[in-house]
Amino acid sequence: GAVVSQHPSWVICKSGTSVKIECRSLDFQATTMFWYRQFPKQSLMLMATSNEGSKATYEQGVEKDKFLINHASLTLSTLTVTSAHPEDSSFYICSARDPAQGLYGYTFGSGTRLTVV
Amino acid sequence: QKEVEQDPGPLSVPEGAIVSLNCTYSNSAFQYFMWYRQYSRKGPELLMYTYSSGNKEDGRFTAQVDKSSKYISLFIRDSQPSDSATYLCAMKASGAGSYQLTFGKGTKLSVIP
Repeated sequence: GAVVSQHPSWVICKSGTSVKIECRSLDFQATTMFWYRQFPKQSLMLMATSNEGSKATYEQGVEKDKFLINHASLTLSTLTVTSAHPEDSSFYICSARDPAQGLYGYTFGSGTRLTVV
Repeated sequence: QKEVEQDPGPLSVPEGAIVSLNCTYSNSAFQYFMWYRQYSRKGPELLMYTYSSGNKEDGRFTAQVDKSSKYISLFIRDSQPSDSATYLCAMKASGAGSYQLTFGKGTKLSVIP
């Protein structure tokens, strides 16, 4: 089955530094990838949608200069949290869409727990 | 009113019980419905998906959709401790380019041995 690898699985960084999270589709080409943020006991909040080779589309209220998304290839998308602050601490999850799997072909990564101290 | 409402629980049941998880939605454009299971500190994994109103069964799991009431359910029969997880409903609109999923908050389920 389709596999999405996301790493790191957890990261601790100092306030003011930047952190990069990678999301890779291992056995399929993902034309579209999604980045979510999840707070405890809350649903997945879509941050942005990225299509390979084009700029990401950010959801309302998400700072595009703070959360930089790059989808340079059909198998890799990255999310960089720039100048991180404690309020950016959260669980970030990526998802990749595999067109070959049809309408329900969304595969999620295992998530990244970011803690900013 | 949020687009998708889901009781976050937590829900605790004894092993072997029948579990009923539900979501309601307000957006008539939602045509595709999914249930995901998420274990602690992991990403969601697709459990079941449905399109039309009615029931769909897969082993111990049954997904039910009632589009007229904008209500979907997931039933788990003979629940096992390994079913302990958070269950999220997700929905998608039809139409070309409609790839975004809208999730419920998730219901945390604990099956007690």
